[in-house]
Amino acid sequence: AQSVTQLDSHVSVSEGTPVLLRCNYSSSYSPSLFWYVQHPNKGLQLLLKYTSAATLVKGINGFEAEFKKSETSFHLTKPSAHMSDAAEYFCVVSDTNNDMRFGAGTRLTVKP
Amino acid sequence: DADVTQTPRNRITKTGKRIMLECSQTKGHDRMYWYRQDPGLGLRLIYYSFDVKDINKGEISDGYSVSRQAQAKFSLSLESAIPNQTALYFCATSPGTGGRYEQYFGPGTRLTVT
Repeated sequence: AQSVTQLDSHVSVSEGTPVLLRCNYSSSYSPSLFWYVQHPNKGLQLLLKYTSAATLVKGINGFEAEFKKSETSFHLTKPSAHMSDAAEYFCVVSDTNNDMRFGAGTRLTVKP
Repeated sequence: DADVTQTPRNRITKTGKRIMLECSQTKGHDRMYWYRQDPGLGLRLIYYSFDVKDINKGEISDGYSVSRQAQAKFSLSLESAIPNQTALYFCATSPGTGGRYEQYFGPGTRLTVT
């Protein structure tokens, strides 16, 4: 069975400071991992994905994530937060059958 | 126009009523999914379909049924709605299986059961 744990339910940063959203996963297979973002009253949008190629994955809007197999982690980072980054972020693990398991989500607040 | 659309966007219904949520896609994907989102629980899979003749239960299918009317249409029904089915429901599509394919989500349907 596969699962995802997002270590923080809420993260608050100031505009212009770094963002770190933490995600650990459990999977019996070599997993694919995704980060999705959900802005208020919107659907989910893909930020980035890891599918066994480069371990450092770059996504949209300046986000990136690093796959660390030894730590079973896939943390999402951004060097400088912008007000428009305020949203809910979901880490997702997927197995070979495209069965996606979502984390509980991390709400990012960006203070001016 | 959006690639994945859901109707209605908001619905309030009473306990015991039957309700259908509809999803349409123009992406040409074979695979379609229904999820529900509850605060603090992320998204959980209700049903998924790999093609018109292939429908599978997800982790929380009890109380729900689905119909895949065509490649582009996938409907979710609540036969007798109950208050704990109040949630945000998302439809998604995917171009393939194998884990490496992302899913594309509709805007969601907010359902309230009173």
